[in-house]
Amino acid sequence: GNSVTQMEGPVTLSEEAFLTINCTYTATGYPSLFWYVQYPGEGLQLLLKATKADDKGSNKGFEATYRKETTSFHLEKGSVQVSDSAVYFCALSLRGQGGKLIFGQGTELSVKP
Amino acid sequence: DAGVTQSPTHLIKTRGQQVTLRCSPKSGHDTVSWYQQALGQGPQFIFQYYEEEERQRGNFPDRFSGHQFPNYSSELNVNALLLGDSALYLCASSGIRGTGNTIYFGEGSWLTVV
Repeated sequence: GNSVTQMEGPVTLSEEAFLTINCTYTATGYPSLFWYVQYPGEGLQLLLKATKADDKGSNKGFEATYRKETTSFHLEKGSVQVSDSAVYFCALSLRGQGGKLIFGQGTELSVKP
Repeated sequence: DAGVTQSPTHLIKTRGQQVTLRCSPKSGHDTVSWYQQALGQGPQFIFQYYEEEERQRGNFPDRFSGHQFPNYSSELNVNALLLGDSALYLCASSGIRGTGNTIYFGEGSWLTVV
């Protein structure tokens, strides 16, 4: 079936450290891929997206590249800040099923000053 | 431009009761989806509405039902509440009958069943 697997958290980093959160997927067809972020006590916010192979999504210093050959969409940031502390969700949607997202289990990031 | 709005933000219900949650989509969006997010888990798709009909459904029992109104707002109803229904319920909206790529989420309704 269709699924998303993320690296387990929590991930704890010092401010200005490099961040990688791994995400791999299994899907029929060619999905669109997303990263959402959830700050404490809040709903989900779209962070970035990519709709086809080799696309790179980017926003607020975060990047992720759609790798069809490895079925991956790893999230990276060169220098994290305390304000980046949140839970990050990788998700996919399938063509013809717009509006339906399949999420990973989430990875909690804690950035210490 | 108002985003996705949900109400109530928090509520407590007793096992066996029924609950109704409400959602107004982002302006210009016609499609509403509902998700259940248990503590420490990723959101799980419940169902999706557009043109006032249920179009897709996830793996949830019939106790979960919904409705969409002509103004595109939506309700999620859960009957015969179980302790395991305690979760954050998220509403999401998108455009173009669900084919629009960007999906926006509300801040959710926290349901506690005691």
